[in-house]
Amino acid sequence: DGGITQSPKYLFRKEGQNVTLSCEQNLNHDAMYWYRQDPGQGLRLIYYSQIVNDFQKGDIAEGYSVSREKKESFPLTVTSAQKNPTAFYLCASSPPGQGGYEAFFGQGTRLTVV
Amino acid sequence: QKEVEQDPGPLSVPEGAIVSLNCTYSNSAFQYFMWYRQYSRKGPELLMYTYSSGNKEDGRFTAQVDKSSKYISLFIRDSQPSDSATYLCATGTASKLTFGTGTRLQVTL
Repeated sequence: DGGITQSPKYLFRKEGQNVTLSCEQNLNHDAMYWYRQDPGQGLRLIYYSQIVNDFQKGDIAEGYSVSREKKESFPLTVTSAQKNPTAFYLCASSPPGQGGYEAFFGQGTRLTVV
Repeated sequence: QKEVEQDPGPLSVPEGAIVSLNCTYSNSAFQYFMWYRQYSRKGPELLMYTYSSGNKEDGRFTAQVDKSSKYISLFIRDSQPSDSATYLCATGTASKLTFGTGTRLQVTL
């Protein structure tokens, strides 16, 4: 089945620790996106990548980093510089030229700081 | 001011009712208009999209866009308990989408 796989589903992070969230897609989409979802705030764009080896900051990139070494993979690292990382993280991909309007989302990773 | 404004609800309606969900946006450059449905603890799924002003119908769902007033609507006819979810509007340009906060809908028996 084609789709987007995020792992893990739940992740716990200690203060000061970096963690990496995985996102893999087999839809052959060029563009991939990371969003953060908080109650009452909707989805906010963290980073996006339109092509391999290239990515751009979204609206709330501080404290996060990404890489795009393969078309299928777009991992997100939540660094210790992110002061309020507890949230629901969503990865998405879209076909070329669509601007993310036909975005396909993964099932999300819920990150909690302990 | 947020670029996309959406009433968070919750909105509770009886089964069979007509539901109206709405968003407003501020950027006249936005070209794409979407509605996503998100069940609890799941990722959003695309419900409907449109590129222009006017109506688009798909089964029990109708999406309406009025670019002159920057207003986006989603109508659900004959609502079912399985429609209970959070509905997110989204709009944007060719390079970026902006989402509303989502409206939580509960359809009761």
